[in-house]
Amino acid sequence: DQQVKQNSPSLSVQEGRISILNCDYTNSMFDYFLWYKKYPAEGPTFLISISSIKDKNEDGRFTVFLNKSAKHLSLHIVPSQPGDSAVYFCAALGPNTDKLIFGTGTRLQVFP
Amino acid sequence: KAGVTQTPRYLIKTRGQQVTLSCSPISGHRSVSWYQQTPGQGLQFLFEYFSETQRNKGNFPGRFSGRQFSNSRSEMNVSTLELGDSALYLCAVRDSFTGELFFGEGSRLTVL
Repeated sequence: DQQVKQNSPSLSVQEGRISILNCDYTNSMFDYFLWYKKYPAEGPTFLISISSIKDKNEDGRFTVFLNKSAKHLSLHIVPSQPGDSAVYFCAALGPNTDKLIFGTGTRLQVFP
Repeated sequence: KAGVTQTPRYLIKTRGQQVTLSCSPISGHRSVSWYQQTPGQGLQFLFEYFSETQRNKGNFPGRFSGRQFSNSRSEMNVSTLELGDSALYLCAVRDSFTGELFFGEGSRLTVL
């Protein structure tokens, strides 16, 4: 039972354009969401997060949007850069636990 | 910032063998989590230890076990290895102030 889903395994975007990565979840108890970025041969690194009491969080080129009614969140990267090419994982956290539930990841490729 | 060292980085085993992986939080964090990453399955939670006690466990068979020592170092063990156990095993620690999860670079296990 995949509680966090990333339905697009890959995404290809031209440099300078916007990248939109999507994530859906099924458990309404999740109250904190995170995005991680992973390069080959490295562990995932934290990118940005959002609490369920917000609908948007912005950090530089990265913005995460949360639609609680649709149980959907998205990560926007604008403008996209070749160095953004990596696998992006969304993750969800329920109350009173440190157990992160990850999606299957979306491989983003930004080409010149 | 938390740091996590995992050893070994790469290893090859054959079916039926057992393996022990190590995780050392540099800054002595008391909470250590383990995740398995495989293509198509994303990152799946294995278990979490806090002050030497297992606090959470994922949906993995009993062949997967772990422990944490008084110095916060953690080990995970997989017995009777199967081909499907080939994966990247990641250890993570949580920053107690920000809640951010920091990952090590992982131990890549190949089972032949």
